Amino acid sequence: AQSVTQLGSHVSVSEGALVLLRCNYSSSVPPYLFWYVQYPNQGLQLLLKYTTGATLVKGINGFEAEFKKSETSFHLTKPSAHMSDAAEYFCAVSESRNNDMRFGAGTRLTVKP
Amino acid sequence: DAGVTQSPTHLIKTRGQQVTLRCSPKSGHDTVSWYQQALGQGPQFIFQYYEEEERQRGNFPDRFSGHQFPNYSSELNVNALLLGDSALYLCASSYNVHEQYFGPGTRLTVT
Repeated sequence: AQSVTQLGSHVSVSEGALVLLRCNYSSSVPPYLFWYVQYPNQGLQLLLKYTTGATLVKGINGFEAEFKKSETSFHLTKPSAHMSDAAEYFCAVSESRNNDMRFGAGTRLTVKP
Repeated sequence: DAGVTQSPTHLIKTRGQQVTLRCSPKSGHDTVSWYQQALGQGPQFIFQYYEEEERQRGNFPDRFSGHQFPNYSSELNVNALLLGDSALYLCASSYNVHEQYFGPGTRLTVT
């Protein structure tokens, strides 16, 4: 079965600094990969997704992620952090169109002024 | 478009009781998935409903059951509540694509 590992439960960056959140996956078939963001007391919002095609995926709020099959990774990046980026970020993997998604444990991003 | 809505927002139950959570999918969506998110953890897949039938199920006991209605709305039922069932329960809807839209969740506390 598919699974996701997010390296680092907490990441802290300064405002304006690069954001890098790490995600590695395990899947027996070509995966579909997702990054979601969760603000306090809210549901999950899709940042970006990879299904097929271009391996560099651009999402909302200036985030992007690159699918690297050889490294089984799908790391999330943003060139310049903003205070409003502070939230919990979840990486997820799916092996089918039936959307049975498996989530990582999450990474809490803190942005320091 | 109201998006995915869930009710109630919060509720408190006692061990051994039963609870029903409700979800209305985003307009045009026909598939509803339920997730349990314990504090400090990622969401765990409970089950998915499509065409009023359970299509897939995660590793949850039979105490967790659900239903989908002809208008695509869905209910999650949990019987014989345990303290460990305390969590945020998330509903997500989709339509034949990989993108799921999540509701704000129902916070269940079992005392």
